[in-house]
Amino acid sequence: AQSVTQPDIHITVSEGASLELRCNYSYGATPYLFWYVQSPGQGLQLLLKYFSGDTLVQGIKGFEAEFKRSQSSFNLRKPSVHWSDAAEYFCAVSGTASKLTFGTGTRLQVTL
Amino acid sequence: KAGVTQTPRYLIKTRGQQVTLSCSPISGHRSVSWYQQTPGQGLQFLFEYFSETQRNKGNFPGRFSGRQFSNSRSEMNVSTLELGDSALYLCASGPGVMNTEAFFGQGTRLTVV
Repeated sequence: AQSVTQPDIHITVSEGASLELRCNYSYGATPYLFWYVQSPGQGLQLLLKYFSGDTLVQGIKGFEAEFKRSQSSFNLRKPSVHWSDAAEYFCAVSGTASKLTFGTGTRLQVTL
Repeated sequence: KAGVTQTPRYLIKTRGQQVTLSCSPISGHRSVSWYQQTPGQGLQFLFEYFSETQRNKGNFPGRFSGRQFSNSRSEMNVSTLELGDSALYLCASGPGVMNTEAFFGQGTRLTVV
């Protein structure tokens, strides 16, 4: 069965500081990996996705993520956080089944 | 291009009632999936439809059902509502196989009292 672990429930960073959100997945074959962001009361917005090829993927809003097969990780990074990045971030995995399996999310707080 | 539209946005129902939620996918998308989001259980997959056929179903009781119409619009129904069904219900659409792309709507917030 596929699963995702986001070990950090809540992270606080200062505006302008760098950010790394951790994601570990479990899947028997090569997974499809995603990062979504959710603002309060809103739906999910896709930040980026990894299917194959280059293990460093670029997304929207200046985010990037790196797929590391040996560590079963897909961590999300941003070099300089803006106050508008405060939200909840979800890592997700899917495989041959069409459903997405989500992690429990990481809530990002940005201090000014 | 309009995004995924879910109606209604908010709903209050009484325990024991039934409810129907609607989802209009992005134009041209043929795949629709439903997810339940609660503080305790997080985001959980309910079911997925492609070209009016249910392709996959999550681990939910039979009170949860869905369907997809020929125009790709989808509805999900919950019968005999329980307090624990209070959640944000999210619909996602995709152009084909869901695991390549999923665009989510704003969700329907269901409160069961």
